[in-house]
Amino acid sequence: QLQLQESGPGVAKPSETLSLTCTVSGGAINRRSHYWGWIRQSPGRGLEWIGSIYYSGGTYYNPSLKSRVTISVDTSKNQFSLKLSSVTAADTAVFYCATDGERGGTYFRNWGRGTLVTVSS
Amino acid sequence: DIQMTQSPSSLSASVGDRVTITCQASRDIRKYINWYQQQPGKAPKLLIYDASNLETGVPSRFSGSGSGTDFTFTISSLQPEDIATYYCQQHDSLPTFGPGTKVDLK
Repeated sequence: QLQLQESGPGVAKPSETLSLTCTVSGGAINRRSHYWGWIRQSPGRGLEWIGSIYYSGGTYYNPSLKSRVTISVDTSKNQFSLKLSSVTAADTAVFYCATDGERGGTYFRNWGRGTLVTVSS
Repeated sequence: DIQMTQSPSSLSASVGDRVTITCQASRDIRKYINWYQQQPGKAPKLLIYDASNLETGVPSRFSGSGSGTDFTFTISSLQPEDIATYYCQQHDSLPTFGPGTKVDLK
């Protein structure tokens, strides 16, 4: 059974870059034929898909965040990561990593427990 | 973006009641809608995929139906462990989620 765990700072300063990592256990990222995704949740925006990545590096991004988002994968560490630049208070949210479907942006089956990131000076 | 609307935003029901939640898409999404359950303090859990397919291990009291723009999610007999917020999510194009329906006990 795949398990996912988010990690990273719980606080980010306005205008800086938020960085999170998702560590996958119970299976190798590069032996899976599906995408890996990031989703965030806040009271104001609800659940919002951020983007997804395949182990070979192919990505899909939410167009509303695309200019600020980079998702990358490190198969040697069995991790994938999220960077969100130029953050503001509106980016405060619980960030989840999850398995995605084979087509990217489809089915989010296995989720991490989520990590709260607060944007504050 | 495809907008997803859900109704009601919240409901109260008794154990054993039939509970129905609807989701409407802003345009035709064929059958490409999923339903998730989120219990307080936990991550969402996929219950139904592609409108009517029950995810492995999910109790059969959960079901979904619909196509095009109008979809229904049903709990046939509400159980105490079903108290949660339920979300629809479309994936006909890049995914978007509904605002959620909070279900609690009357």
